[in-house]
Amino acid sequence: DVKVTQSSRYLVKRTGEKVFLECVQDMDHENMFWYRQDPGLGLRLIYFSYDVKMKEKGDIPEGYSVSREKKERFSLILESASTNQTSMYLCASSLLGGLAKNIQYFGAGTRLSVL
Amino acid sequence: GQQLNQSPQSMFIQEGEDVSMNCTSSSIFNTWLWYKQDPGEGPVLLIALYKAGELTSNGRLTAQFGITRKDSFLNISASIPSDVGIYFCAGGGGNTDKLIFGTGTRLQVFP
Repeated sequence: DVKVTQSSRYLVKRTGEKVFLECVQDMDHENMFWYRQDPGLGLRLIYFSYDVKMKEKGDIPEGYSVSREKKERFSLILESASTNQTSMYLCASSLLGGLAKNIQYFGAGTRLSVL
Repeated sequence: GQQLNQSPQSMFIQEGEDVSMNCTSSSIFNTWLWYKQDPGEGPVLLIALYKAGELTSNGRLTAQFGITRKDSFLNISASIPSDVGIYFCAGGGGNTDKLIFGTGTRLQVFP
């Protein structure tokens, strides 16, 4: 079974703190994604990566950065957390190319509260 | 960013009833996916569809890839309490590995 593991289920941080959200997948997937999920807004793509050290902006990259130093690990960084970044953050991974390339496998999510 | 139109937004049904929800898009997709998200958890894949007209079942769940490639529907038969959750459709394909997600259908099942 594909396993996508997010390091924290719940995080509480203060405004202005630097926050790291970590995600690890064990299926040798090339693609990795970070989304945020807010009530009424669905899943919105923040950043994605299709290879080590490669990254592409999604729909809402402002206030976020990412790091992919190893294939299995994709980190989301909030340089200076703000209250409007309080949300559920979801990491996902998928294969690059082939029929199954669009199937994304999700982690359990990290619920971040910024006070 | 683009989102798919998913309806209904929410459903409140009695245990044993059948459920139907659908997703429409202005764009053509090569892949349609249906996910379920339990409260406080990440989405889990239910069914993947790869061909226009394809009808696929997974237990009590049946999904179809619309002939126009712009829509898909999901049916749940004989609902049970553990069907409670949010159901998302997602479209993908072409020259991108990104998915476009629907807005979700929240399902409540009463005993």
